[in-house]
Formats: sequence, C-alpha cells, structure tokens
Amino acid sequence: DQQVKQNSPSLSVQEGRISILNCDYTNSMFDYFLWYKKYPAEGPTFLISISSIKDKNEDGRFTVFLNKSAKHLSLHIVPSQPGDSAVYFCAGLNNAGNMLTFGGGTRLMVKP
Amino acid sequence: NAGVMQNPRHLVRRRGQEARLRCSPMKGHSHVYWYRQLPEEGLKFMVYLQKENIIDESGMPKERFSAEFPKEGPSILRIQQVVRGDSAAYFCASSPLPSGRASTTGELFFGEGSRLTVL
Repeated sequence: DQQVKQNSPSLSVQEGRISILNCDYTNSMFDYFLWYKKYPAEGPTFLISISSIKDKNEDGRFTVFLNKSAKHLSLHIVPSQPGDSAVYFCAGLNNAGNMLTFGGGTRLMVKP
Repeated sequence: NAGVMQNPRHLVRRRGQEARLRCSPMKGHSHVYWYRQLPEEGLKFMVYLQKENIIDESGMPKERFSAEFPKEGPSILRIQQVVRGDSAAYFCASSPLPSGRASTTGELFFGEGSRLTVL
C-alpha cells in the first residue's frame, strides 16, 4: 500500500524554465509534507516543507503547493538551474510525528 | 558541527555472512531512524529508536534484521545471514526530538548512507 506516490520517475527541463514535480498521497492523517533532494551517492537533504493546514509555502526559488481535497502536492522550482539536477523525494509525516513515508522519487534533469 | 555519520560507506558481504551498519546521530540528537533504498526505488522506513529503546520497528523484516541504539555509542543495524535481496543503500537519519516536535518542519537529518552489496 503506497501512501505516497510520485508518478513521474523522471523530468527533463531547460535551464531557466519552471520545473514542476508532483506527488499524490492517500493518507489523510499526514501532518506535514516534506521535499528532499538527493544527489547520487549522498544522503537526502531537506529542501522545503508545508503544514497540512497551509496551501502554499515559498522559499526562494522553491514553492510547494498543497491541494488537500485532491490529496496532491507539487514542488515548483523557478528558474531551474543545472545544479538542481537530482532525485526529489516527497514525504508525508504522520500525525504521531515519528515517521516519514517517502514516495518513489522523481529524477529531475535540468539542461543548460 | 558534524552531521549524521554512517559507516562503512560501502560493505560487501557473501551470502550467509553478517552485516553491521553503524550510525552516529548529530550531536544533541537522541532519535534515530533507519531507512532502506532498494535499487530504483524510494526510501522505505525500517525502524525508529531512541536511546536504549525501539519505538517503532514496523518496517523491519521479521527475521534476520535487528537494530539497537545503546546508551553509549552508535546505533547499529544488524543483518544476519545476508541474501542478495538485502543489497541496498541503508540510510540513517536523526532528529533532536520526534519528527514533528523538533521543529515546524518535521525535518530529519540524513547521513550519506551505507551501501551493502551481497555477492
């Protein structure tokens, strides 16, 4: 039972354009949603999060949107840069606050 | 200001041997989480530990896998009698308090992972 799904395994975007990474979830009890970025042979690093009571959170070039009725969230990166090329994981935090459930990841490639 | 330290970074074992993976959390963090990433897959929760206690092991395989976080020293993930299907990257993460209570973000801090290859 996959509670968090990232249906696009990969995404290719031109430098300077917008990257939109999507994530769907089934568990209504998630308290927070987080995005992590992962380079090859490194651990995931935290990027941005959003509380389940918000619909938008922005941090520089990164914005996360949450649509609770659709159980969908997205990460927007604008403008995209070659250094953004990585695997992005979406994760839901349970309301007990002790477990992150990750999606399968989306590999973003930003072409110069 | 060291981050989460995992060792070894790479471990090769033959089928039937034991694998021990170590994780030292960030300074001041007393909550440790282990995740596994199989090839071409996402991160799967395995176990959540506090010092000397296993809080949630719902993601741990029922046999051959065990984890501990002693009062002194690193957290250890132990895999007995390894099989080829155990080949994966094992990531440790830590937080100062249970996720969600540590900060408004629920952030976990991850190590660089230990890559286990079973021949």
